[in-house]
Amino acid sequence: EVQVVESGGGLVQPGGSLRLSCAASGFTFSNYWMSWVRQGPGKGLEWVANIENGGAEKFYVDSVKGRFTISRDNAQNSLSLQMNSLRAEDTAIYYCARLFSRWYFDVWGRGTQVTVSS
Amino acid sequence: DIQMTQSPSSLSASVGDRVTITCRASQSISSYLNWYQQKPGTAPNLLIYAASTLQSGVPSRFSGSGSGTDFTLTISSLQPEDSATYYCQQSYIIPWTFGQGTKVEIK
Repeated sequence: EVQVVESGGGLVQPGGSLRLSCAASGFTFSNYWMSWVRQGPGKGLEWVANIENGGAEKFYVDSVKGRFTISRDNAQNSLSLQMNSLRAEDTAIYYCARLFSRWYFDVWGRGTQVTVSS
Repeated sequence: DIQMTQSPSSLSASVGDRVTITCRASQSISSYLNWYQQKPGTAPNLLIYAASTLQSGVPSRFSGSGSGTDFTLTISSLQPEDSATYYCQQSYIIPWTFGQGTKVEIK
């Protein structure tokens, strides 16, 4: 079964750091671009970051540039999101998603909750 | 950034009704438009990609059309299980952006 499973969410104070992970299975991970998408409480969806299948090209939404880093380990079939200098507005469910043909999200995880609060 | 505007923000319709949701981009995005369905407490699910291509496993009552700046998602005969929020999303230019969502309720 093709699936991605997120982990690593939790409660963190403003200014703190958190590292999210996404474990992929059921497909050849190294063949696909991957993404993080988030959803604030009661809000819509927001694209956060993309990483190309080799890991060299990375793209971010402006609001997280310089604070978040997307990375991957193709040998371990895993995707990560290192989040530093966290703000209250980063509070959201973070979804790991597979990109098909680089253009659309065809496989989603269940998400992991990140709460930034003192 | 490209702004994606959906209308209406919410709608209520009866089982069997034809439902249409519109998505407008603030500039041309060719056919780089995708539609997702999200039910409460679950992850989004891909319905339509490249404006009009039905994702495998999605019921044929769902269809998409449009190009450039104006797009439409149509449910030809609304079913109880279609109660959800629907989002459009452009993948033409980074940053990729979503519409604000359209909540569909069953009368």
